[in-house]
Amino acid sequence: GAVVSQHPSRVICKSGTSVKIECRSLDFQATTMFWYRQFPKKSLMLMATSNEGSKATYEQGVEKDKFLINHASLTLSTLTVTSAHPEDSSFYICSAVLAGGPFEQFFGPGTRLTVL
Amino acid sequence: AQSVTQLDSHVSVSEGTPVLLRCNYSSSYSPSLFWYVQHPNKGLQLLLKYTSAATLVKGINGFEAEFKKSETSFHLTKPSAHMSDAAEYFCVVSAGRNYGQNFVFGPGTRLSVLP
Repeated sequence: GAVVSQHPSRVICKSGTSVKIECRSLDFQATTMFWYRQFPKKSLMLMATSNEGSKATYEQGVEKDKFLINHASLTLSTLTVTSAHPEDSSFYICSAVLAGGPFEQFFGPGTRLTVL
Repeated sequence: AQSVTQLDSHVSVSEGTPVLLRCNYSSSYSPSLFWYVQHPNKGLQLLLKYTSAATLVKGINGFEAEFKKSETSFHLTKPSAHMSDAAEYFCVVSAGRNYGQNFVFGPGTRLSVLP
């Protein structure tokens, strides 16, 4: 149980285009999901907290207009990288917390974004 | 606020020998502590977690960790390393009333296992 999926697993896009990444909790409801960014050989950096039905909370230094987050249902959160540039290339990982359950973050497998 | 220190950025062991990955934390509240493993280009897998129950925590794949409040440590150990253990390991601390937003990752330790 407690499986989180991400789609796509890998995406390559041209500079200036927008890319949407989906994060789904497959077998549980998640009122809260998190989006992380991981640079090569580095640790995870929290970008934002996504709450179902409300605006996301962004960490300091993360551009909300650049990284659009939508949490439309209890099982889906999306991250859209708008007007992507090569410096946005990274590994993006989402996680979800079981609604009403013991605290633990369940992580998705990650999405590798490459912007040419 | 809380923070995590992983003292070794890289640990190398021979197959069949013990593994020790060190983690120290600081927290204003009683913490929950986690160890995650990440294989190359993969997501994170939970190895084990401490949430104020038994201080010696057993996880998957033969790993265990001991919570030592006096030393503010949560070191990860395994009696005998296997080649498949080669990966990146992250220690995570979570504390305070808003657990989700206080999930702090350590910098990671890369474990190499030599044949």
